Amino acid sequence: DVKVTQSSRYLVKRTGEKVFLECVQDMDHENMFWYRQDPGLGLRLIYFSYDVKMKEKGDIPEGYSVSREKKERFSLILESASTNQTSMYLCASSFQQGGHSNQPQHFGDGTRLSIL
Amino acid sequence: EDQVTQSPEALRLQEGESSSLNCSYTVSGLRGLFWYRQDPGKGPEFLFTLYSAGEEKEKERLKATLTKKESFLHITAPKPEDSATYLCAVQAWNAGNNRKLIWGLGTSLAVNP
Repeated sequence: DVKVTQSSRYLVKRTGEKVFLECVQDMDHENMFWYRQDPGLGLRLIYFSYDVKMKEKGDIPEGYSVSREKKERFSLILESASTNQTSMYLCASSFQQGGHSNQPQHFGDGTRLSIL
Repeated sequence: EDQVTQSPEALRLQEGESSSLNCSYTVSGLRGLFWYRQDPGKGPEFLFTLYSAGEEKEKERLKATLTKKESFLHITAPKPEDSATYLCAVQAWNAGNNRKLIWGLGTSLAVNP
């Protein structure tokens, strides 16, 4: 079974802090993703990565950055946390088959982040 | 514009009362349609992938079907443990980010004993 592990289930930070969310997958997947999930807005893609050191912006990248130094690990960074970044953050990974990917994404259990 | 719409938003069933959830999509070309189940406070759990119209997949009390415009998730004789939010997502052909999924907002299912 695919295992995607997020470092914290719950996190409380203060406005202006730099926040790091970590995600590790154990299936040697090429693709990794960061989403946030808010009531009424559904899942929104922040950033994704298709290879080590490669990244692409998703739909809502403002205020976030990412790092992928190793294949199994993908980090989300809130450069200067603000209250509107309070949310559930979900990491996912998927297998890349050839030049295209229509394989399912597998999710971690999420980090509930509160910015005070 | 690529879009995924799920209906109903919420559904309450009695145990054993079969029903269907709908996922309608408008995309330039379908590469895959995915169904997930999400329990409160957890990440989405993958259920099925459908790739072409006419395809069907089954798992226990769940059966997913696909046409050129929509997908149905049929729940036969549901049990209280089937209570969850069911999410639908679509992967479309486009020139660039073919790894991205377009997500619906989900159907919240409650099954009463």
